[in-house]
Amino acid sequence: DAKTTQPPSMDCAEGRAANLPCNHSTISGNEYVYWYRQIHSQGPQYIIHGLKNNETNEMASLIITEDRKSSTLILPHATLRDTAVYYCIVRSGTAGNKLTFGGGTRVLVKP
Amino acid sequence: NAGVTQTPKFRILKIGQSMTLQCTQDMNHNYMYWYRQDPGMGLKLIYYSVGAGITDKGEVPNGYNVSRSTTEDFPLRLELAAPSQTSVYFCASSMSGGGQPQHFGDGTRLSIL
Repeated sequence: DAKTTQPPSMDCAEGRAANLPCNHSTISGNEYVYWYRQIHSQGPQYIIHGLKNNETNEMASLIITEDRKSSTLILPHATLRDTAVYYCIVRSGTAGNKLTFGGGTRVLVKP
Repeated sequence: NAGVTQTPKFRILKIGQSMTLQCTQDMNHNYMYWYRQDPGMGLKLIYYSVGAGITDKGEVPNGYNVSRSTTEDFPLRLELAAPSQTSVYFCASSMSGGGQPQHFGDGTRLSIL
């Protein structure tokens, strides 16, 4: 699975959009981009995933560049409850759907 | 719909003791996984299963065993507990097929003293 690079931490103002970048320059054609988050010490929570097209759900939007070498997770109106570690993961849809977690981005939403 | 349920939530073991961490899911998912997370680190895959009777090693399998006799259950066994196995253990499940997300339990916090 392709390796991802994320900034270790970032702050965001409550009510503002949070834009979380992720680089995955070695991604291959059949690999998906997934985003999970982990609030405090809870189990990781699935947010969104995509292959080529931009995706949006009730939690967030995922913007994938045309060359697929990077992506951005957008939380449209960050709240204090969005404070968490966010993981960007790239994996193929085969081989047991395994996930490889990196260090993630620690997001702190401030009032 | 309970999702993925892990028991116990907390446990303290003595060095050399054994125990089984339980994981069950009620979503009829074929795929199940065990991860460990050490303080300040990301999750690492221990074992996974793509269906009843089928298991395979992940990134850090040493010191652990698994079995998958039913679709619902995927227990993780520690035979001879060591301090290095002090960690938080997460179980997850997903549907088979490309692109399916994993759903995680709330974790078991295990300390080996």
